Amino acid sequence: GQNIDQPTEMTATEGAIVQINCTYQTSGFNGLFWYQQHAGEAPTFLSYNVLDGLEEKGRFSSFLSRSKGYSYLLLKELQMKDSASYLCAVRFNNAGNMLTFGGGTRLMVKP
Amino acid sequence: DVKVTQSSRYLVKRTGEKVFLECVQDMDHENMFWYRQDPGLGLRLIYFSYDVKMKEKGDIPEGYSVSREKKERFSLILESASTNQTSMYLCASSPPTGIAYEQYFGPGTRLTVT
Repeated sequence: GQNIDQPTEMTATEGAIVQINCTYQTSGFNGLFWYQQHAGEAPTFLSYNVLDGLEEKGRFSSFLSRSKGYSYLLLKELQMKDSASYLCAVRFNNAGNMLTFGGGTRLMVKP
Repeated sequence: DVKVTQSSRYLVKRTGEKVFLECVQDMDHENMFWYRQDPGLGLRLIYFSYDVKMKEKGDIPEGYSVSREKKERFSLILESASTNQTSMYLCASSPPTGIAYEQYFGPGTRLTVT
């Protein structure tokens, strides 16, 4: 299968900036998604990258480098409500509409 | 707003029972998916369907089957539940076209098999 790697847990302070990394196998890459999932809730879509560069949406930004097989999600001005798991998912060319998910990064925001 | 609903939030079944998990979406999406989510393993695709009566195996289809008789409904069936099928089950749907092909998830069903 295709490996999607991201850190298991991260901790950051309210008001700070945190970067959550995701690496994947580059062969057949056709798009990368970030989802946010609060405990006990459904994942919700945050961002999509298919070309190199930075996509910004308010306090959240997502970056992609296709040649390096690397993406990050950047969260600025952290708030307590940002405590959640962040899921990186990749669509590969041979997989149609299927996504391959990483294990998720659980972010804890402390006061 | 896209809405994906699942029949139960919590379910407790006994080993060997036949279990049905139902998922309904109200946005006329062609694609529907069933995942299970386990700590440390992330979301793993069990089955997906791209049209009525069509299905494709995902990464871990063993022990599961699916049914899609109507476009809005996608059912996951555990023919004979086992304790290793205790997990959180998430259903998702997505349209066939569009830039992002994002998937919309239901709230999940936490299944415990005893």
